[in-house]
Amino acid sequence: EADIYQTPRYLVIGTGKKITLECSQTMGHDKMYWYQQDPGMELHLIHYSYGVNSTEKGDLSSESTVSRIRTEHFPLTLESARPSHTSQYLCASSETGSTDTQYFGPGTRLTVL
Amino acid sequence: KNQVEQSPQSLIILEGKNCTLQCNYTVSPFSNLRWYKQDTGRGPVSLTIMTFSENTKSNGRYTATLDADTKQSSLHITASQLSDSASYICVVSDRGSTLGRLYFGRGTQLTVWP
Repeated sequence: EADIYQTPRYLVIGTGKKITLECSQTMGHDKMYWYQQDPGMELHLIHYSYGVNSTEKGDLSSESTVSRIRTEHFPLTLESARPSHTSQYLCASSETGSTDTQYFGPGTRLTVL
Repeated sequence: KNQVEQSPQSLIILEGKNCTLQCNYTVSPFSNLRWYKQDTGRGPVSLTIMTFSENTKSNGRYTATLDADTKQSSLHITASQLSDSASYICVVSDRGSTLGRLYFGRGTQLTVWP
């Protein structure tokens, strides 16, 4: 099993709150990713990072922001949560190589009331 | 448009039976194809990965096939177990960018009944 962790696993908050979803990996991977997944739908890439101080927006527009100050840590922040942000957020990491296999964390299920 | 289509959307089988899941893709240029298993409330876990030159790859009771000419892949599960109940996601990678962009299917939800 991959050494990639996400906290919290479940979060229920009210509209307008600021939240940070944590993601950490202990594999020393340089690439990290954030995906958004709704029930029965495909994963959508919202942010990725090639390494420290590198962050890029993904395919799906998101109001969230990310930072990569340390190799192992890739937190995602929502300044003002809204009900439309309700979703499952999955963090992943990969090591640059021939296959770039991504290892996923367990996910954070976010519900905004 | 790069797409990954999976069928069936959902499948129910009895424990011990075999099943085959399908994946069709239009991703180009093609780099590799992965099958992931995603248990409810968990992140996806890689089962197999195949490159252009590989036709089949096995991982225990899971056997994936790839036909790069017709852009089709299948995942065959033998002697199903209750723990096989999960969503199986087909993921295709291109090499059109440095990132090696991944294209995800919506998954096949497999339920194994005792």
